[in-house]
Amino acid sequence: QVRLQESGPELVKPSQTLSLTCSVSGGSIRSGGHYWSWIRQHPGEGLEWIGYIYYSGNTHYNPSLERRLTISIDTTKSHFSLNVASVTAADTAVYFCARLSVVGRHFDYWGQGAPVTVSS
Amino acid sequence: QSALTQPPSASASPGESVTVSCTGTNSDIGGYDYVSWYQHHPGKAPRALIYEVTKRASGVPPRFSASKSANVASLTVSGLQPDDEATYFCSSYAGNNDWIFGGGTKLTVL
Repeated sequence: QVRLQESGPELVKPSQTLSLTCSVSGGSIRSGGHYWSWIRQHPGEGLEWIGYIYYSGNTHYNPSLERRLTISIDTTKSHFSLNVASVTAADTAVYFCARLSVVGRHFDYWGQGAPVTVSS
Repeated sequence: QSALTQPPSASASPGESVTVSCTGTNSDIGGYDYVSWYQHHPGKAPRALIYEVTKRASGVPPRFSASKSANVASLTVSGLQPDDEATYFCSSYAGNNDWIFGGGTKLTVL
């Protein structure tokens, strides 16, 4: 059973960089056919896809967020990370990591989510 | 891309059936057979229920079924059980390696 767990600070100051890490266990982060993704949920709203990374390092980002995003991967530590630069209150959300399966193009495993508040 | 449209809430009694809709456009739901549904209990990891419009994810009981017509996808939960009380999200592939989600429907089991 693949398990994902987000970690990182719950409070970030405006204009700073939000950094989160997702640890993967129970399966290989190098498995073909899977992309490691970030998704967020603003308070009281639906989900927003942020982007994904393949184990090779190839990335794809939501065009509306792309200029502030960096997703990276460390296959030796079996984790991948999200950086969002120049954050504002609009980046306050619960951030989920998830595995995107090429089969069916769906997110088959998710983490529990990490709440992040942007505030001074 | 605008989010997919879901009703914010739905309710039904134990044993009954309920259907949740998810409305998109020709650029997402109507353009691809890659609609998926997820169940989310607060504080827990979301769980994949359905993928490729109608296929149940591993371990998902047949009480959960789904379909699509044009730009509208639907999830039906039959034989409602108390543990079905959760928020249900739809998602669709939107082309260009992009994904889009719905606003979520909070299902209450009365």
